[in-house]
Amino acid sequence: KQEVTQIPAALSVPEGENLVLNCSFTDSAIYNLQWFRQDPGKGLTSLLLIQSSQREQTSGRLNASLDKSSGRSTLYIAASQPGDSATYLCAVKSGATNKLIFGTGTLLAVQP
Amino acid sequence: GAGVSQTPSNKVTEKGKYVELRCDPISGHTALYWYRQSLGQGPEFLIYFQGTGAADDSGLPNDRFFAVRPEGSVSTLKIQRTERGDSAVYLCASSQGGGSAAKNIQYFGAGTRLSVL
Repeated sequence: KQEVTQIPAALSVPEGENLVLNCSFTDSAIYNLQWFRQDPGKGLTSLLLIQSSQREQTSGRLNASLDKSSGRSTLYIAASQPGDSATYLCAVKSGATNKLIFGTGTLLAVQP
Repeated sequence: GAGVSQTPSNKVTEKGKYVELRCDPISGHTALYWYRQSLGQGPEFLIYFQGTGAADDSGLPNDRFFAVRPEGSVSTLKIQRTERGDSAVYLCASSQGGGSAAKNIQYFGAGTRLSVL
């Protein structure tokens, strides 16, 4: 059974710092991995999707990497801003099904 | 529509009552998903529709939960004999469907917060 873990559970950084969020999964047979952002009271917004054949994806100040063999992904946020404060979730999609398996998230607070 | 719409945004009910939660997917999206998110947890998969049929309902916790999508667009999640443990945010997502990565990106609604007293 696929399990997804995210560390740390919460993170507080001063504005301008670069930071890394971690995601690990137990079954390396994944189709893709997505990073989402969730703001309080709102739905999830997809940030980056990495196919199983890819090593990384970049969008603006965000860079996500994938090491499928070791079951790990990282989300790197450069030059953090207070507007980046949110919960960040990673989710994996296994090849046999379209459902996403989510981690428990990292609550990020960027202090001005 | 412009995005996935879920109604109501909040629902308070009493233990034992029946509730229906509605999801309007993005127009033209053939795939629709229901997830449940408890406080401090990530979303948990409930059921996935491709068109009108439930392609995977392995996440439904028991037979009190049922979902339909009769015309392949709007979906309703139905919960019978609600229990306090059913309290959570119920999220709906839709995707275009198809083989490419872009067509499989799931777009989420804001959710329905269900509180069972």
